[in-house]
Amino acid sequence: DIQMTQSPSSLSASVGDRVTITCQASQDISNCLHWYQQKPGKAPKLLIYDASNLVIGVPSRFSGSGSGTQFTFTVSVLQPEDIATYYCQQYDSVPLTFGGGTKVEIK
Amino acid sequence: QVHLQQWGAGLLKPSETLSLTCGVYGGSFSGYYWSWIRQPPGKGLEWIGEINHSGSTNYNPSLKSRVTISEDTSKNEFSLKLSSVTAADTAVYYCAPHSGTYAFDYWGQGTLVTVSS
Repeated sequence: DIQMTQSPSSLSASVGDRVTITCQASQDISNCLHWYQQKPGKAPKLLIYDASNLVIGVPSRFSGSGSGTQFTFTVSVLQPEDIATYYCQQYDSVPLTFGGGTKVEIK
Repeated sequence: QVHLQQWGAGLLKPSETLSLTCGVYGGSFSGYYWSWIRQPPGKGLEWIGEINHSGSTNYNPSLKSRVTISEDTSKNEFSLKLSSVTAADTAVYYCAPHSGTYAFDYWGQGTLVTVSS
């Protein structure tokens, strides 16, 4: 199985801050990576597909980059509604695997 | 616009079989691959497996010996069975489709399944 190591596991930031989350794959997965946002009690929501493509309707303050084994997810200007847990997911090979999640809180 | 509705038993005893169904409304059932994903309380996401429109399945090796995913194309439904459950199987279970790139942009509402004696 491909292991996805996400960091940090949690962070606290102020409204307006730039927030960056990283996801490292245990082997080369090209750009086979998606990012999700999950709010408490809700199903995950797809934000970024294929490492860097923004889903239609998702605010442009969200972005993703990277390929191979290193990936980055960024919120350029943190908003109060961005409080959530974020997950990366690889689909280079089955079984699909997710990162452990990053819980984003407001300072 | 695909809408998913899940149902099934929410409380099981150890050794029983978990059974959940996901109904698909408003979309092409044959155009997607249909997955089950679970999330233990307070923990991360685990992909269980999938079935495609031709009935072919892929399972997570960690659960493969206990999992069966099936479909009823006449009803636009697909189902999950997980046998011999233990407390470690307590989780919210989600159904979710993808169109080939494993990007889950639609999700069921989630079903909390608790395993307790």
